[in-house]
Amino acid sequence: KQEVTQIPAALSVPEGENLVLNCSFTDSAIYNLQWFRQDPGKGLTSLLLIQSSQREQTSGRLNASLDKSSGRSTLYIAASQPGDSATYLCAAEPMTTDSWGKFQFGAGTQVVVTP
Amino acid sequence: GAVVSQHPSWVICKSGTSVKIECRSLDFQATTMFWYRQFPKQSLMLMATSNEGSKATYEQGVEKDKFLINHASLTLSTLTVTSAHPEDSSFYICSARNQHRLHLGQFFGPGTRLTVL
Repeated sequence: KQEVTQIPAALSVPEGENLVLNCSFTDSAIYNLQWFRQDPGKGLTSLLLIQSSQREQTSGRLNASLDKSSGRSTLYIAASQPGDSATYLCAAEPMTTDSWGKFQFGAGTQVVVTP
Repeated sequence: GAVVSQHPSWVICKSGTSVKIECRSLDFQATTMFWYRQFPKQSLMLMATSNEGSKATYEQGVEKDKFLINHASLTLSTLTVTSAHPEDSSFYICSARNQHRLHLGQFFGPGTRLTVL
């Protein structure tokens, strides 16, 4: 069974610093790897989706890389802002047909950006 | 873009009552939808897969008689928490994908917060 781990569990940085969030998964047979943001008491906001054939995706200050062979994905957030404070979740979608669509989520990294 | 809605966004009920949560894909059809549960300070855990026109499939440890799922159309799945108890209090989130645009990944609803008194 796929296991997704996120390190660190919590991170506090001053405004302007770059953020590096790590996600590892045990089964490299994934269809997609998706990063989400979750604000307290709210639902999920999709940030970046990396398909299995891709190595990275970028959107504004966000960049996510994917290395299937090592079972890792990293989310980089450049020049952090207080508005980036949230919990960041990564989720892996298995490649196998009987698990298609069944995302396995990591526990998340809680980020606090101080002004 | 694709949007998934949930209704209600929050609900408070008494112990022993049943609560129905709706999940709709607003601009695409979804033969499969997924229901997740998130307890405070924890991540999302998949509960079940909702299949249009057939029975839902449940993850290990999830009681199918307690969490009734009906996927009556290509845009609507409902989750009914029967005889709810305080331990069922949680954040329930559904997801769906546009089967014609798989490269867009999954779209998640805004969630429904259930509090059972």
